[in-house]
Amino acid sequence: GQNIDQPTEMTATEGAIVQINCTYQTSGFNGLFWYQQHAGEAPTFLSYNVLDGLEEKGRFSSFLSRSKGYSYLLLKELQMKDSASYLCAVRDIGGQNFVFGPGTRLSVLP
Amino acid sequence: GAGVSQSPSNKVTEKGKDVELRCDPISGHTALYWYRQRLGQGLEFLIYFQGNSAPDKSGLPSDRFSAERTGESVSTLTIQRTQQEDSAVYLCASSLAAGGTEAFFGQGTRLTVV
Repeated sequence: GQNIDQPTEMTATEGAIVQINCTYQTSGFNGLFWYQQHAGEAPTFLSYNVLDGLEEKGRFSSFLSRSKGYSYLLLKELQMKDSASYLCAVRDIGGQNFVFGPGTRLSVLP
Repeated sequence: GAGVSQSPSNKVTEKGKDVELRCDPISGHTALYWYRQRLGQGLEFLIYFQGNSAPDKSGLPSDRFSAERTGESVSTLTIQRTQQEDSAVYLCASSLAAGGTEAFFGQGTRLTVV
């Protein structure tokens, strides 16, 4: 089975940096994904990690530690449009299924 | 097609009626996923297809829910004898079979059972 945990809500200020954590326990692992979901819209892909370390993509970076079952998404230079839910998902090695965490609702304040 | 397409985008049905939700994945994507998302909640896994086979049906909430996929393409999620607790957005996603590739989501079907 798989268990994925994220904080429910976070608040940050425009222009600041925020780190959203994700911990997971899985029977198999074939990559960790971060998605962004604005209210009323479908999730969109942000980043992917399969090896330990940091992946940087513009204002967004994602980190993975497989031994600790831990990942984080780092958002820099926050903008109001970054207010959304951020979903952590793990792909298992057997069935290649994606299992999603509960999501973190981020509110960016002016 | 260019993206994952779901129909209908909205469906209102009476309690006890059956509904069919359709998903057209991205051409060439052999993996297809169905999720349910209740208002303000996360994504609840329902079922996953690899080709036309469903190796993992563990998420289907009850025997009122079923899904099929044909031609390694279109998938249909059927809910029989709908109940009010079935009201949610049903999201479909597809991905390439190879590990490590992301899943792309459709816009979802908003189901309301009255």
